[in-house]
Amino acid sequence: AQKITQTQPGMFVQEKEAVTLDCTYDTSDQSYGLFWYKQPSSGEMIFLIYQGSYDEQNATEGRYSLNFQKARKSANLVISASQLGDSAMYFCAMREGGGFKTIFGAGTRLFVKA
Amino acid sequence: NAGVMQNPRHLVRRRGQEARLRCSPMKGHSHVYWYRQLPEEGLKFMVYLQKENIIDESGMPKERFSAEFPKEGPSILRIQQVVRGDSAAYFCASSPGTGRGEKLFFGSGTQLSVL
Repeated sequence: AQKITQTQPGMFVQEKEAVTLDCTYDTSDQSYGLFWYKQPSSGEMIFLIYQGSYDEQNATEGRYSLNFQKARKSANLVISASQLGDSAMYFCAMREGGGFKTIFGAGTRLFVKA
Repeated sequence: NAGVMQNPRHLVRRRGQEARLRCSPMKGHSHVYWYRQLPEEGLKFMVYLQKENIIDESGMPKERFSAEFPKEGPSILRIQQVVRGDSAAYFCASSPGTGRGEKLFFGSGTQLSVL
C-alpha cells in the first residue's frame, strides 16, 4: 500500500536561508509521481513541484527544488532564499501510475523568521 | 478561466441534519476528487468520480456519506445525519486526466461545523 511520511511537524528558518522539508514514501509500483503542495493560512492548496519516478534529474521550479533519492524512497523539498510569505503548511503527496488517487502526508508547518 | 469552485465556503449544521457540499471542476476537467482535512492534519482521500460514475470510494465512510457527479451540474458530497466528528474542511480537486503526473487543482474548501 502506498504511504507518505513527513516526520517534521514544524520547522523554523531564518529569512533568506535555505530549508529542507523531509518526505519519505512507500510504494510497490515502479511508476509513480511525487508532488509538493503549499497550504497558506488562507487554506487553499497550491501546487509547487512534481517529480516522476523515471525522471533522472531532480525537478526545479524557481526557488523550489526536489531532492529525489529513489533508492532511499525520499523526495525532500528544498526552498532556497526563504521569504516571509513561505510560512505555510507543506504537504508531500504521491500518485501511483496505475491508481486514481493522490495520497498526502501529514504535513510540515514552516515558520520563516525575519 | 475559473478554477475549481466550491460552495458554500462555510457550512454550519446541527447534529442530525444533512450537509450538502458542491464542487464545480475546472473547465475541461472530468475527474473530481474529494478530500477531508482535520485541523493540523493532512488531506485524507475520500472518493474519486468521473461524470456519472464513482470510480474509487475507498476512503469514504460506509454510512451517511455519499457522492455524485451528474452529467449536468456540480459534484455533490452529501453527509446525512451529521455528527460532531464530521466537522472538518472538505476539499474538492479536479484534474484533466489520471496519469501519474497529473497534478490536482483544488477548490478553496468547505469548512463544515457541526454544533
